[in-house]
Amino acid sequence: AQKVTQAQTEISVVEKEDVTLDCVYETRDTTYYLFWYKQPPSGELVFLIRRNSFDEQNEISGRYSWNFQKSTSSFNFTITASQVVDSAVYFCALSEDNSGGSNYKLTFGKGTLLTVNP
Amino acid sequence: GAVVSQHPSWVICKSGTSVKIECRSLDFQATTMFWYRQFPKQSLMLMATSNEGSKATYEQGVEKDKFLINHASLTLSTLTVTSAHPEDSSFYICSARTGGIYSNQPQHFGDGTRLSIL
Repeated sequence: AQKVTQAQTEISVVEKEDVTLDCVYETRDTTYYLFWYKQPPSGELVFLIRRNSFDEQNEISGRYSWNFQKSTSSFNFTITASQVVDSAVYFCALSEDNSGGSNYKLTFGKGTLLTVNP
Repeated sequence: GAVVSQHPSWVICKSGTSVKIECRSLDFQATTMFWYRQFPKQSLMLMATSNEGSKATYEQGVEKDKFLINHASLTLSTLTVTSAHPEDSSFYICSARTGGIYSNQPQHFGDGTRLSIL
């Protein structure tokens, strides 16, 4: 069974600080996908990134960066120079290979509420 | 690209009413759509997977007769909450995915529907 743990329930930072959101996952599959989604107060989920299990390269997109480490089953997300508009709930999610008939369903972590104060 | 529209965004109705929520992929064909439920300050829980032209697959514990899903076209899936009661009040959010049934593409989410049953 797959599981995603986001141990940080809430994080509060001051604008311009860097912040890292942790994500630890469990899966028995060797092929899987990891995702991060952002949910602002308005409710919609915004797709941020997808990473497959064979690609451990870290990725940077503007102020966002992701660190994928299979050795520790972690897929952490860092926001550099945070801004008030980054305030949202961030979800890490996992989908396993479809070989088990999972249809690539997403399993979400419980989310981390990030508040960036001016 | 990959825009998903969900309607209505907010519903308030009396107990015993049936409520229909629509999920449309606006600029792509979605063989598979997913329906989630989210309680306040909690994660998304998958309710069912909807494949175009076939019966939906419900997650354990989700009542099929309570939550009717129809995926009649490649751009539209509907969720009908039948005889809704206050405990059905929640945030319902759909997602759609490009590619076929076994696609590993990211899910793109609608804006969600806040359902309040009085």
